[in-house]
Amino acid sequence: GQQLNQSPQSMFIQEGEDVSMNCTSSSIFNTWLWYKQDPGEGPVLLIALYKAGELTSNGRLTAQFGITRKDSFLNISASIPSDVGIYFCAGPRISGTASKLTFGTGTRLQVTL
Amino acid sequence: EPEVTQTPSHQVTQMGQEVILRCVPISNHLYFYWYRQILGQKVEFLVSFYNNEISEKSEIFDDQFSVERPDGSNFTLKIRSTKLEDSAMYFCASSAVTGVTEAFFGQGTRLTVV
Repeated sequence: GQQLNQSPQSMFIQEGEDVSMNCTSSSIFNTWLWYKQDPGEGPVLLIALYKAGELTSNGRLTAQFGITRKDSFLNISASIPSDVGIYFCAGPRISGTASKLTFGTGTRLQVTL
Repeated sequence: EPEVTQTPSHQVTQMGQEVILRCVPISNHLYFYWYRQILGQKVEFLVSFYNNEISEKSEIFDDQFSVERPDGSNFTLKIRSTKLEDSAMYFCASSAVTGVTEAFFGQGTRLTVV
């Protein structure tokens, strides 16, 4: 099956630092999604990317859809304590009449004061 | 802001018992999903549902699992005879249109099988 590998697996950073994480796939996706999961909660959609090479921002978050369509990265600028959580990339595939998401392995972010 | 809601937030059940997890998707969405996350692992697809029938199911979604949309607002996941390895967070999700693949997730139900 499709595998989405994320790196790094975890990060410990200081408040105010910038963060960069990426996601790579063995197969092509036509859309990339980035989700954040807080402890005990469901994934919350942060950014959706629809076109190869696209760069999209959402506040302090910036994500890019790789040209090869096999990778994506997410940057967080000037991190704050509420950025703590697990960040997942996800690639959707249309299957039948609906789509299903394949989630990445996740990057756990810890922010220290 | 519309959201997907799930009940209960935590369910403890004995092995072999049946459980029903409930979800109210976003009201104008047409596509519904269940995903599972075993503690410390990634989120895994279980099943998608559209027009009152299953669109696709994963290998995890065996004969012990079933889904239903009993009325215009609820979407349920039933596990007939729970096993210890069914312990996980179960997330319901919904999306508006195929092709617009953004799925919105509920807060999850933590199922603990003892």
